[in-house]
Amino acid sequence: EPEVTQTPSHQVTQMGQEVILRCVPISNHLYFYWYRQILGQKVEFLVSFYNNEISEKSEIFDDQFSVERPDGSNFTLKIRSTKLEDSAMYFCASSEVGTSGNNEQFFGPGTRLTVL
Amino acid sequence: RKEVEQDPGPFNVPEGATVAFNCTYSNSASQSFFWYRQDCRKEPKLLMSVYSSGNEDGRFTAQLNRASQYISLLIRDSKLSDSATYLCVVRDNFGNEKLTFGTGTRLTIIP
Repeated sequence: EPEVTQTPSHQVTQMGQEVILRCVPISNHLYFYWYRQILGQKVEFLVSFYNNEISEKSEIFDDQFSVERPDGSNFTLKIRSTKLEDSAMYFCASSEVGTSGNNEQFFGPGTRLTVL
Repeated sequence: RKEVEQDPGPFNVPEGATVAFNCTYSNSASQSFFWYRQDCRKEPKLLMSVYSSGNEDGRFTAQLNRASQYISLLIRDSKLSDSATYLCVVRDNFGNEKLTFGTGTRLTIIP
């Protein structure tokens, strides 16, 4: 069964450093998403991406964040200068279509980011 | 008011029991509704979509009340493997693909 994959599974970084989280969405999917979940809290939407551009972003997704689809398979989230409060589990998701019907977003296993 | 509100639990119920979860959402324009389950330190996985007429999938039954902005999930004959956190999730269609999650209700099935 096709699945979303993410690397690395765990990333430890120093405050102020740049990190890039990588995702490989399911191959025929067209919509891509990043969510995050701070330990003990709810899953929060960061950004959605379609047709090589951001289609929606949340207030969390400020200038420190960026997304890119550098090739036909990878989808990356970059945090330019990490803060302690960026420590969270980051989930990538993809879906075949956008808002028509109850189509499913498939989530990857997540990258646990720890900022020291 | 929280966008999607759930009782955080925990719910500790014996194996074989029936358990019900409730959820309310604040945006009356919300169009799609889901229950996801999340195991400890894992990703959310879709359990079932929730349709206006209510729907059933094996031991799981979901109901939607648009007038009250209320969603429910019923699990019958609970199994040990049902132990997880159950997430109520809402999507406002109209060009927004983002999912809005509740904080989740933690369920533990006791042997």
